[in-house]
Amino acid sequence: ETGVTQSPTHLIKTRGQQVTLRCSSQSGHNTVSWYQQALGQGPQFIFQYYREEENGRGNFPPRFSGLQFPNYSSELNVNALELDDSALYLCASSLAGPLAHEQYFGPGTRLTVT
Amino acid sequence: QKEVEQDPGPLSVPEGAIVSLNCTYSNSAFQYFMWYRQYSRKGPELLMYTYSSGNKEDGRFTAQVDKSSKYISLFIRDSQPSDSATYLCAMSVQGAQKLVFGQGTRLTINP
Repeated sequence: ETGVTQSPTHLIKTRGQQVTLRCSSQSGHNTVSWYQQALGQGPQFIFQYYREEENGRGNFPPRFSGLQFPNYSSELNVNALELDDSALYLCASSLAGPLAHEQYFGPGTRLTVT
Repeated sequence: QKEVEQDPGPLSVPEGAIVSLNCTYSNSAFQYFMWYRQYSRKGPELLMYTYSSGNKEDGRFTAQVDKSSKYISLFIRDSQPSDSATYLCAMSVQGAQKLVFGQGTRLTINP
């Protein structure tokens, strides 16, 4: 069984730039959720994708957007980067339905915005 | 007020001690209660979860949920240095997409 993978591991961007982060879900999982974890804080829900559509969104502005592909992998895109976007971005995969709470996380992408 | 409150610690105990980690919450609709372990610069690892109230045991770990008090706990018996990590509680309502996390408690087990 393959776990959740994310790329890249680290990324440094300049304020105002755009970034794309990638995630491959655990084999057999059809749902991907994205979270932002600031230093010393718990992860905050950004949004979830199921059947290639957004299936719930947290309190994040529209410059945070995503995609899910037919193989269930996903991308997180952030436009017009701000300094406060510096964080660990986590992807979690799960099955839809009664096991939706059982989310398994990848290692994360650490984004630094300067 | 945050939906989920967790004492950030840090908490430092000697090897072999029993560790108690706790979270309180305000949303009575939460039905699933998870505990994650996160090592430094890694993603969270799901340790165990409980549905509604009650206890659940898995090896040296025991999770307790008291919905009447809106209080959950994770106990670690015979703690080991390898248990040193940040422990995150997380909760969700039935059928919901998101997990709501506490801030995390940083735990160190001293040999």
